Amino acid sequence: KNEVEQSPQNLTAQEGEFITINCSYSVGISALHWLQQHPGGGIVSLFMLSSGKKKHGRLIATINIQEKHSSLHITASHPRDSAVYICAVRPVGNQFYFGTGTSLTVIP
Amino acid sequence: NAGVTQTPKFQVLKTGQSMTLQCAQDMNHNSMYWYRQDPGMGLRLIYYSASEGTTDKGEVPNGYNVSRLNKREFSLRLESAAPSQTSVYFCASSEGWPGGGSYGYTFGSGTRLTVV
Repeated sequence: KNEVEQSPQNLTAQEGEFITINCSYSVGISALHWLQQHPGGGIVSLFMLSSGKKKHGRLIATINIQEKHSSLHITASHPRDSAVYICAVRPVGNQFYFGTGTSLTVIP
Repeated sequence: NAGVTQTPKFQVLKTGQSMTLQCAQDMNHNSMYWYRQDPGMGLRLIYYSASEGTTDKGEVPNGYNVSRLNKREFSLRLESAAPSQTSVYFCASSEGWPGGGSYGYTFGSGTRLTVV
């Protein structure tokens, strides 16, 4: 059983492109977490969302609770954005469940 | 730097050997977690600790034991390593409690374990 589905699995973009990564889930949640995992393996928290939209620099995360869907957008993408982006959801009263990630490569 | 420190970063074990993965956080976080990451799968929870002195099983606890030594430290022990335990292990901590709150996780840098 997979609580979290991410799309696409792999994404290649040209530098400067606008990028969207999608996350869909099947249960009611109390929070959704976007994370970034760099080629070296370290995992960094990007956003925690329970509603609406958050922005940090070139990154924007949105969530639609009714549709059980979240998107992570990257504006003006850069090769240093190349990483695996992971969506995790926390069903109410439960632990986080993690998606398998979207591998992003930005080509100069 | 404040954060979550995991040791070792790399380890090769022979089948049947034992080892302990160490994790320490200096952010005064309440809850701590051990995950494993395997190719094609999301991070899976092995064990977690909601607070000092308590531990609970996660999704994949078989073959592992944990100890929450104090608020800072949460160790993961493999008593008799098996090739199926070859994985990358991550420790994480959170200010909040496991089932709720709006707190995210801070992750350690990972331990790459190979069991031959």
